[in-house]
Amino acid sequence: GQQVMQIPQYQHVQEGEDFTTYCNSSTTLSNIQWYKQRPGGHPVFLIQLVKSGEVKKQKRLTFQFGEAKKNSSLHITATQTTDVGTYFCAALRGNFNKFYFGSGTKLNVKP
Amino acid sequence: GAGVSQSPRYKVTKRGQDVTLRCDPISSHATLYWYQQALGQGPEFLTYFNYEAQPDKSGLPSDRFSAERPEGSISTLTIQRTEQRDSAMYRCASSLEQASYNEQFFGPGTRLTVL
Repeated sequence: GQQVMQIPQYQHVQEGEDFTTYCNSSTTLSNIQWYKQRPGGHPVFLIQLVKSGEVKKQKRLTFQFGEAKKNSSLHITATQTTDVGTYFCAALRGNFNKFYFGSGTKLNVKP
Repeated sequence: GAGVSQSPRYKVTKRGQDVTLRCDPISSHATLYWYQQALGQGPEFLTYFNYEAQPDKSGLPSDRFSAERPEGSISTLTIQRTEQRDSAMYRCASSLEQASYNEQFFGPGTRLTVL
């Protein structure tokens, strides 16, 4: 069953516009990771969030973990064509190593 | 090696045949994961190893699927009596330790097509 819901499924933006993808769970998560997969490529780790309400930034990317540790978001400011790809969240519950990946948000950036 | 490698990169087989996929993780990494990724979907957990131990194989779809990592390094995923629904990308990932706070390094995957 779907353990982690990720929305939207697709997003088409004009270069320079912002982009946000959301990851939601009905249960409390112990941590969440974000990955980017370029077309034809493999998932590449971006960040990990562990603490309630945590916010981390990587240049134009801002990652948030909700206060209840049930949701997370990735926001990209002023998208560039190099941001094209599919963004996945991967959530962990408890102290187990079974990661639940979202279905991904495919981002297309028009120059 | 510099990263996680998988072989073969592509495998086409006929329904009913057995296939074995191989993963060579980063040499210092204790933990190894196997995922199945359908087109347009996120990776779905199959199993993981901590060295040679296999603490969780709850994601294996049926008893036709098995994995091993006998010496705690290279791992194989075997699918017996393949079915068309087994067609997917099979990805391997490794991480430094079993602790859940480590990034996963993914390999390029093996695309399996069952005719």
